[in-house]
Amino acid sequence: DAMVIQNPRYQVTQFGKPVTLSCSQTLNHNVMYWYQQKSSQAPKLLFHYYDKDFNNEADTPDNFQSRRPNTSFCFLDIRSPGLGDAAMYLCATSRDSGSSYNEQFFGPGTRLTVL
Amino acid sequence: AQKVTQAQTEISVVEKEDVTLDCVYETRDTTYYLFWYKQPPSGELVFLIRRNSFDEQNEISGRYSWNFQKSTSSFNFTITASQVVDSAVYFCALYGSGNTGKLIFGQGTTLQVKP
Repeated sequence: DAMVIQNPRYQVTQFGKPVTLSCSQTLNHNVMYWYQQKSSQAPKLLFHYYDKDFNNEADTPDNFQSRRPNTSFCFLDIRSPGLGDAAMYLCATSRDSGSSYNEQFFGPGTRLTVL
Repeated sequence: AQKVTQAQTEISVVEKEDVTLDCVYETRDTTYYLFWYKQPPSGELVFLIRRNSFDEQNEISGRYSWNFQKSTSSFNFTITASQVVDSAVYFCALYGSGNTGKLIFGQGTTLQVKP
């Protein structure tokens, strides 16, 4: 089945120790997104890739970076995780043809714990 | 400004009851899209429905139905004969033609269906 896959599902890191979360998709969608979701809150968009074009949200901290080496994969790098970065990180994809906006499909998320 | 309001933070019903989740949106765009997502305890956001601003026809899918009314800027979601498996957080979301890939989420409604 076509899907959005996130690894790992649970990640524990230490304060200040860099961590990378990964996302892959078999949907061949051209847009990929990274969201941060904290407890009892709505998902918050960090950035997205429209094809190879990177779009950063204005309020996304510099501590968060992303890479998209090809259509299928996208990575979220947290350079120096702080306690406030503990959250669920959701990857999503969509197919944007330019003439209409289609729904986003989400992966299962990676729950990040910072010790 | 674009905004989605889900005034109901938590709803608790007994199995087999009907329940309606409210969603009110604000946008100045003439072309926009509305969505509902379900987030069960496992964490993955599951796409339920997409509706564009030119299609006010209500939709029914099994026990789920949606009522889109542009006159009141509402896109309400009704679950008929609720089941325990319907327990989840439900998010309403908006995408406007002026956006650059960004879904505007409501704060979510937590639905608890008791046996």
